[in-house]
Amino acid sequence: GQQVMQIPQYQHVQEGEDFTTYCNSSTTLSNIQWYKQRPGGHPVFLIQLVKSGEVKKQKRLTFQFGEAKKNSSLHITATQTTDVGTYFCAGLGLYNDYKLSFGAGTTVTVRA
Amino acid sequence: EADIYQTPRYLVIGTGKKITLECSQTMGHDKMYWYQQDPGMELHLIHYSYGVNSTEKGDLSSESTVSRIRTEHFPLTLESARPSHTSQYLCASSAEPGSPLHFGNGTRLTVT
Repeated sequence: GQQVMQIPQYQHVQEGEDFTTYCNSSTTLSNIQWYKQRPGGHPVFLIQLVKSGEVKKQKRLTFQFGEAKKNSSLHITATQTTDVGTYFCAGLGLYNDYKLSFGAGTTVTVRA
Repeated sequence: EADIYQTPRYLVIGTGKKITLECSQTMGHDKMYWYQQDPGMELHLIHYSYGVNSTEKGDLSSESTVSRIRTEHFPLTLESARPSHTSQYLCASSAEPGSPLHFGNGTRLTVT
C-alpha cells in the first residue's frame, strides 16, 4: 500500500535559523497536504499542493511539490518559537479518493 | 475556524466499561474520519464514513465501532475498554474526497 515517509523525525533549531523537512511517497500522489499540530493540540491544515513542481509560500513557510509528485518539502526561514510543533504531510493517492496517508511527522523544537 | 466538536475532551475510565466518544460537525460534510494518535506519534485512520449509513474500517485495526445515522454526527464506541485503548482519538471531516481535513480538539482517553 501507499506509504508516506517524513524526515527528519526531530528537528532542533536555533531561533532565527532555517530548516527543511521532507516528505516522500512510495507512489505518485494526487495531492499532498501539510498540517501543523502544536503540543497538546490537534492537527491544523496549512496548505495543499496539487500541481507538479508547485511552490506555495505562507509568510516564512515555503512548500514545494516535486516534479514527479512523489515528494514534498517544507522550508521555514528565520525560525521563531511560534513554529514549535509537529508538522505532518499527508498524501492522497491517485486511486484512493477518500483516505489520506499521513507521514510520521517532524517534531520541531526551538532554542531561544 | 472549523466547526467540529468532540466530547469529552478528557476521559478516565476503568477497564471493562463501555464508552462512546462524540463527534459532531456543522459544516454539512459527507466525509468523516476517526484517527487514533499516541502522544508525539503519527495518526492512524481507524474508521471513516462516506455519508449517512456508510462506515468503513481504516488502516489500523480497532476494536471500536462507529455509526453514521445523521450527516453531522459520527460517534465512536468501545464496548469494553482496556488499558491498550489509552490514546488520543481525533475526529475529522472533509467536504470532498481528498480535500483538507478539519479536525476536532480530540478526546484523550485513559483506561485504568
